[in-house]
Amino acid sequence: EVQLVQSGAEVKKPGTTAKISCKVSGYSFSDYFIHWVQQAPGKGLEWMGLIDPGDGETLYARKFQGRVTITADTSIDIAYLEVSSLSSQGPAVYYCARSQGRDGPLDVWGQGTVVTVSS
Amino acid sequence: QSLLTQPPSASGAPGQRVTISCSGSDSNLGSNPVNWYQHLPGTAPKLLIYRSTQRPSGVPDRFSGSKSGTSASLAISGLHSEDEGDYYCASWDDSRNGPVAFGGGTKVTVL
Repeated sequence: EVQLVQSGAEVKKPGTTAKISCKVSGYSFSDYFIHWVQQAPGKGLEWMGLIDPGDGETLYARKFQGRVTITADTSIDIAYLEVSSLSSQGPAVYYCARSQGRDGPLDVWGQGTVVTVSS
Repeated sequence: QSLLTQPPSASGAPGQRVTISCSGSDSNLGSNPVNWYQHLPGTAPKLLIYRSTQRPSGVPDRFSGSKSGTSASLAISGLHSEDEGDYYCASWDDSRNGPVAFGGGTKVTVL
């Protein structure tokens, strides 16, 4: 069974960085792109960026460029999302998802990770 | 502001048909297929329609998609109470505003 399992909820202080993991299983990690999608409080889904685990190439949405870093460790089949300069705007949910081809549909999603920013 | 425009809400009684529109531009829907995602409360988003008209295995044929030019639509026929949730269109965008665009989402309410 194909699964993307994300790390647990986090509480961070304003201005700090959150690092979320996405562990994949049931398929070859390098054969699919991994995307990250944010749902800010009261908002819709917003695409943040992607990585090709096969070669480490990344693409970021303009809005998140410079504040987000996506990496992948092919030795343990885990993708990571780092979000810096967190601000107190209520809990946001971050999802990882995979696609076959960088412009393919996101066919399997992780369960989501809630990041709460509070002083 | 989303590159893809959806109505914020849609509703229908059980058994009725609901249609959700998604309007884009030449750089996204005009040159790329659309995918639709269902996001039910407390769950992860789920791929509902891909490449504009295709249903993944396990998605009921009550859900159907279409696309013409820079517009697309999702139809839900025979509305069920468990269909209540948010629906998003998404497409690759070839402009510098991309590369992946989500619509703002449509909340479907089953009356």
